[in-house]
Amino acid sequence: EAQVTQNPRYLITVTGKKLTVTCSQNMNHEYMSWYRQDPGLGLRQIYYSMNVEVTDKGDVPEGYKVSRKEKRNFPLILESPSPNQTSLYFCASSLSVSTDIQYFGAGTRLSVL
Amino acid sequence: EDQVTQSPEALRLQEGESSSLNCSYTVSGLRGLFWYRQDPGKGPEFLFTLYSAGEEKEKERLKATLTKKESFLHITAPKPEDSATYLCAVRTGGGNKLTFGTGTQLKVEL
Repeated sequence: EAQVTQNPRYLITVTGKKLTVTCSQNMNHEYMSWYRQDPGLGLRQIYYSMNVEVTDKGDVPEGYKVSRKEKRNFPLILESPSPNQTSLYFCASSLSVSTDIQYFGAGTRLSVL
Repeated sequence: EDQVTQSPEALRLQEGESSSLNCSYTVSGLRGLFWYRQDPGKGPEFLFTLYSAGEEKEKERLKATLTKKESFLHITAPKPEDSATYLCAVRTGGGNKLTFGTGTQLKVEL
């Protein structure tokens, strides 16, 4: 089954404790991105990757890091999480940067205390 | 700066009661307007892409239309399973970044 898998689905952590949210897709997609969803603000792009070893900032990249060492994986790293990073995070992928359909993962709900 | 505004924020319909959701946008260089459906606890699911004013697309009870300033998602004779949050997004520029609206939460009751 074609899918985008995020882990964990739920995470509660404390300020400053480094964490990684994993994202994996099994569709051989070139393009992957991360969004955060906050009430009243909609989904906002954090980082994206057009292919292996090619990443770039989205609209709200501060406090986040990403890497794309393999085509299927695109982890989101919070080196020193802060309470304002409490949010619902989604990973998405598409066949290429110009493909219409983006497939989203089920989301990771993060709480930073 | 690209802006997408959806209305209403929430809509409650009786089964079979048709209605429309609105998405108005202000962008420079539209390269596609997207409609997604989001169910609780799940990620957005792609519904439609529209590219130019006058274009329409249909899928089951849903029909999306596009003008130069807004898009409508028409829901004909909705059923309870159509209950979800409907998200509108626009793509501009050369990449695949989507700018989303805040969504319309639709509830269809028996």
